Amino acid sequence: QSALTQPPSASGSPGQSVTISCTGTGSDVGGYDYVSWYQHHPGKAPKFLIYEVNKRPSGVPDRFSGSKSGNTASLTVSGLQADDEADYYCSSYAGDYKWVFGGGTKLTVL
Amino acid sequence: QVQLVESGGGVVQPGRSLRLSCAASGFPFSDYGMQWVRLAPGKGLEWVANIWNDGSKIYYADSVKGRFTGSRDSSKNMVSLQMNSLRAEDTAVYYCARSWGDHYFDYWGQGVLVTVAS
Repeated sequence: QSALTQPPSASGSPGQSVTISCTGTGSDVGGYDYVSWYQHHPGKAPKFLIYEVNKRPSGVPDRFSGSKSGNTASLTVSGLQADDEADYYCSSYAGDYKWVFGGGTKLTVL
Repeated sequence: QVQLVESGGGVVQPGRSLRLSCAASGFPFSDYGMQWVRLAPGKGLEWVANIWNDGSKIYYADSVKGRFTGSRDSSKNMVSLQMNSLRAEDTAVYYCARSWGDHYFDYWGQGVLVTVAS
């Protein structure tokens, strides 16, 4: 299973919005709505942000939103805050009880 | 609250073995599947293994199939990953995570570093 493709970096100023893409194939992102997103501050435990493309677990601010079109999923972070500076990873079910992650995007808050 | 604490990492020579453990607390362990995910230096997250809540089914990434074996002990609320025939490319921080909704990883541990080097 090949990793999903994410841009290595993204940036935005406080208060702005940033969108991170996650491109897969028809066998993963395009074939299932089981897309999720995770925030990772290095050295800490990753945090569950989005599931089923666009749903937020309890406690995740609505500044985080997800979407999908074809083989590409996206995470949008609105109203950027300093603490949003982290690595972000997408994940998708890839069939046959296998899951695939993206290469990660380092978000910098300028 | 949910807590996952990994242990057992370290430096090991290529071809040798290592066993990781993950102690779980704060939730009904037998109700949840568990996952292992790793983060290699300079790379993205990689799913490693999925262990069903009752341990009856375990699935592996192609990159570790035949070398890694997952298990769980519900009496100790613990999940383990036996890693054999280790390779340099297995060097990574290994995380255990709780499965949620069959396809998601809702709580993660802080990870444990495994370094495979001679």
